[in-house]
Amino acid sequence: DGGITQSPKYLFRKEGQNVTLSCEQNLNHDAMYWYRQDPGQGLRLIYYSQIVNDFQKGDIAEGYSVSREKKESFPLTVTSAQKNPTAFYLCASSSDRGPNQPQHFGDGTRLSIL
Amino acid sequence: KNEVEQSPQNLTAQEGEFITINCSYSVGISALHWLQQHPGGGIVSLFMLSSGKKKHGRLIATINIQEKHSSLHITASHPRDSAVYICAVTGGSNYKLTFGKGTLLTVNP
Repeated sequence: DGGITQSPKYLFRKEGQNVTLSCEQNLNHDAMYWYRQDPGQGLRLIYYSQIVNDFQKGDIAEGYSVSREKKESFPLTVTSAQKNPTAFYLCASSSDRGPNQPQHFGDGTRLSIL
Repeated sequence: KNEVEQSPQNLTAQEGEFITINCSYSVGISALHWLQQHPGGGIVSLFMLSSGKKKHGRLIATINIQEKHSSLHITASHPRDSAVYICAVTGGSNYKLTFGKGTLLTVNP
């Protein structure tokens, strides 16, 4: 079955460490997105990519980095510069670079600070 | 920037009741999405609509572009409908989604 796979489901980070969250899709989608979800807030866009080897900052990109070397993969690195990384992270994809396409979501990764 | 407001924030219903969740937005949009987030965290897209009404099983979504308002209805609610329902919008050529904070629905047997 086609879908989006995020791993790991739970991740713990020590202070000062970078961690990378994986997102893989086999839907042949061009566009991919990373969102952050905090309690009581709506999802916020971190980074998005419309095509391989290209990506743009979203609303809260500081302290995060991404790469898009393959169409199927869009990993997110939470760097030590992100001072409040504890959150639920969701990856999504859509079939076209244009607007008004339904987004397909992964099951998320919950990141906590030790 | 578009502001998306959902109401109510929390909703508790008895099995079989008719449910309505509302979503209002502040700026004209090109599409509105209704999403469902289960307790485990994964999100499923329920509807995407830009006008009128869509129906899928017991779920109905409507949108009034002039009033900048959408509703999600659930008929004959069931405990398995318990989830967070999220409204999100896109505007013009900007395909980035702006999300509401969600409505937590609990359906008791």
